[in-house]
Amino acid sequence: SQQGEEDPQALSIQEGENATMNCSYKTSINNLQWYRQNSGRGLVHLILIRSNEREKHSGRLRVTLDTSKKSSSLLITASRAADTASYFCATDAWDTGRRALTFGSGTRLQVQP
Amino acid sequence: EPEVTQTPSHQVTQMGQEVILRCVPISNHLYFYWYRQILGQKVEFLVSFYNNEISEKSEIFDDQFSVERPDGSNFTLKIRSTKLEDSAMYFCASSGQGLDQPQHFGDGTRLSIL
Repeated sequence: SQQGEEDPQALSIQEGENATMNCSYKTSINNLQWYRQNSGRGLVHLILIRSNEREKHSGRLRVTLDTSKKSSSLLITASRAADTASYFCATDAWDTGRRALTFGSGTRLQVQP
Repeated sequence: EPEVTQTPSHQVTQMGQEVILRCVPISNHLYFYWYRQILGQKVEFLVSFYNNEISEKSEIFDDQFSVERPDGSNFTLKIRSTKLEDSAMYFCASSGQGLDQPQHFGDGTRLSIL
């Protein structure tokens, strides 16, 4: 898979359920970021996790990072219809110090009311 | 909360024409970026800009493209001799100094080349 690939590609759940999205990447990183994109809109930054962190929380969001497996997960708890969007992970590149982000293909989350 | 603003929200241009996409980054940010997203595809990095010069650019960012910070607040992307395949959403982003600073994105400009 390519740098920053998410799975599943699409996820449909009921309001109140938890949603888990996964991301895999290939190169060493400084940080991994998760973004949300509503249809036709810009990218909203959700959370950044550093390579020396294993877990981070922000409200109903929980992100984990496993650098040995080069993977991350985003958990949204108690989902709401307003959480319906596409979710992307994005990585930088540790070895070159590049700030350019590489995005995955995203997970399309549909939360049914 | 401070935000990145982009204008116009939608630009329609004839093939071969030049376009300028405009961005106002967050005021205390030092790094500025352009990304694009072709419909149905991934967000792709184009270029980053720091201290009044390009700091990184991708293979996509060829001689057709240029960036400029004409004053203390604006950051522009110019596309010359536009082609049909330049049709995409173009996103501007900015970030602070540290390597652990998140990039904040604008709502994008939808560029349609006819």
